[in-house]
Amino acid sequence: QVQLQESGPGLVKPAETLSLTCTVSGGSVNTYYWTWIRQPPGKRLEWIGSINYSGGAKYNPSLKSRVTMSIDMSENQFSLKLNSVTAADTAVYYCARFGEGASYVEYWGQGTLVTVSS
Amino acid sequence: QSVLTQPPSVSAAPGQKVTISCSGSSSNIGNNYVSWYQQLPGTAPQLLIYENYKRPSGIPDRFSGSKSGTSATLGITGLQTGDEADYYCSTWDSSLSGRVFGGGTKLTVL
Repeated sequence: QVQLQESGPGLVKPAETLSLTCTVSGGSVNTYYWTWIRQPPGKRLEWIGSINYSGGAKYNPSLKSRVTMSIDMSENQFSLKLNSVTAADTAVYYCARFGEGASYVEYWGQGTLVTVSS
Repeated sequence: QSVLTQPPSVSAAPGQKVTISCSGSSSNIGNNYVSWYQQLPGTAPQLLIYENYKRPSGIPDRFSGSKSGTSATLGITGLQTGDEADYYCSTWDSSLSGRVFGGGTKLTVL
């Protein structure tokens, strides 16, 4: 069973960079596509972007200018960086893995709340 | 506003059946697979339906999915109080070049 665990600061100051890491167990990051999805309090899910082992990444066009994702195969982790954050970036951030064919999200982390505030 | 439109809420009595609609367009639902997720209060979403109608192992056959044209539907039969949750549809949008989610539907089992 694949398990994912997000880690990173729960509080980030405005204009700074949000950095999160997802540690994967029960599976290897050198297969499938891996993704970050967020959910502002009381709002819908929002896809941030996805990455695979070859480094190929796709980002949400509305966030593309501020997002960078990477994979660390030696640590079996993948990461998210979102720069120039504002209060609108306050959300629960989920890391997840796509299923075969990458048309659905098969496994989810438990999520981590990141608050942007001074 | 979401490119995928879901009713904000639906309700039904225990044991009854409910359907949740997800309306899109040719750039998303019309030409891509739809998946559905259940989000129980305070928890991460869980995959319910993938590739329009397929159920992952462990998901009871009370849950079903279908797609017709630019709309998709999630059906739940034999409603239980434990089914109270938010339900989201999702697909790829070729015009936006991104994965999109519906606005979510809150199911209340009266």
